[in-house]
Amino acid sequence: AQSVTQPDIHITVSEGASLELRCNYSYGATPYLFWYVQSPGQGLQLLLKYFSGDTLVQGIKGFEAEFKRSQSSFNLRKPSVHWSDAAEYFCAVAMLDPGGSYIPTFGRGTSLIVHP
Amino acid sequence: ETGVTQTPRHLVMGMTNKKSLKCEQHLGHNAMYWYKQSAKKPLELMFVYNFKEQTENNSVPSRFSPECPNSSHLFLHLHTLQPEDSALYLCASSQDLPRGLSYNSPLHFGNGTRLTVT
Repeated sequence: AQSVTQPDIHITVSEGASLELRCNYSYGATPYLFWYVQSPGQGLQLLLKYFSGDTLVQGIKGFEAEFKRSQSSFNLRKPSVHWSDAAEYFCAVAMLDPGGSYIPTFGRGTSLIVHP
Repeated sequence: ETGVTQTPRHLVMGMTNKKSLKCEQHLGHNAMYWYKQSAKKPLELMFVYNFKEQTENNSVPSRFSPECPNSSHLFLHLHTLQPEDSALYLCASSQDLPRGLSYNSPLHFGNGTRLTVT
């Protein structure tokens, strides 16, 4: 079955430290990949997406992610975290469903806590 | 301003009430979605409307009834809900293509309606 796994429920980092959030997917072909961020009381906002081409993609707010086909991973990174980055992060994968549509499937999310 | 507006932001209702959630998108998209977000659970896709036709219904109980009168508006009608239906209900939109063609449009989300069923 198709699935998206975010193995870390919580990640705690100090402000200024680097960050990597993990995402793995299970799918037979190359899916469309996304990272979203959700601040408290808000909806989800797109950080970046991968469809094809360069496997290292740049997003908003200084985030980047790298698609690694051999590892079925799409990890999110940021070299220096700011306190305002504290939020919930969701990895999503759009895969072709039996009905012929690409419907995004979301991971459980990783809660990022930033210490001053 | 996200381009996708949901009202109300908060709703408290009894189990015998009937209420509706509203979503409006100003992005010119042709696909709209309802998601349910509960604590400690992944986002659950409830319904998808593509070109105003319902294309997905993920085994959602009949006490939830969607309506999509046009490509800019989406409603979720609620009646005789249960306390476990309390959650954040998120609406999203995207620019989708007819089936069989490549999908390359991410979702744009509203800020959600926080629903509490008492």
